[in-house]
Amino acid sequence: KAGVTQTPRYLIKTRGQQVTLSCSPISGHRSVSWYQQTPGQGLQFLFEYFSETQRNKGNFPGRFSGRQFSNSRSEMNVSTLELGDSALYLCASSPGTLYNEQFFGPGTRLTVL
Amino acid sequence: SQKIEQNSEALNIQEGKTATLTCNYTNYSPAYLQWYRQDPGRGPVFLLLIRENEKEKRKERLKVTFDTTLKQSLFHITASQPADSATYLCALELDSNYQLIWGAGTKLIIKP
Repeated sequence: KAGVTQTPRYLIKTRGQQVTLSCSPISGHRSVSWYQQTPGQGLQFLFEYFSETQRNKGNFPGRFSGRQFSNSRSEMNVSTLELGDSALYLCASSPGTLYNEQFFGPGTRLTVL
Repeated sequence: SQKIEQNSEALNIQEGKTATLTCNYTNYSPAYLQWYRQDPGRGPVFLLLIRENEKEKRKERLKVTFDTTLKQSLFHITASQPADSATYLCALELDSNYQLIWGAGTKLIIKP
């Protein structure tokens, strides 16, 4: 089975721009979660989508949004980028039921200048 | 609010010894807890899951304990090897709503 893929792997943007990141989950997985990771902060939960519906949401401003398509692929969008948005953005897929492990992609490294 | 604490300082262990990492949490009762390994520049990789009614779980050289009274999980790597050097993250399920909250991780360094 192919693993979780994320595109692009690296991205450089300037303040005020917007960005869209993509995640393709493992085949058959219906849940996709997004995380922001910065040094010393650990993984901060952004949101989780299950069968095209946002099932959970973390404490991030409305500039961060996402969606999931019928094939379970997911995108997240960050508008009006700020310097503090520079981070590694990780997506993880799982079957979506309790007691499931999460399978992570390699991440997208976003740098905001 | 919910809080997870892992030792923020790096843990240096001599090769061949047992490494023990700690995950403490407050203010809630998770149904299960997971441990992941993360290497630099990569996404975390799942290692073990332990449920609230399980005291201990083993997988090869790995062992996890879960003490719901102490609100603590211990993660052990026996016969440690330099290849075990990585950051180890614990994650707890939040209120049966399929969401995990994560500790900041402990960096483990195994010295030859």
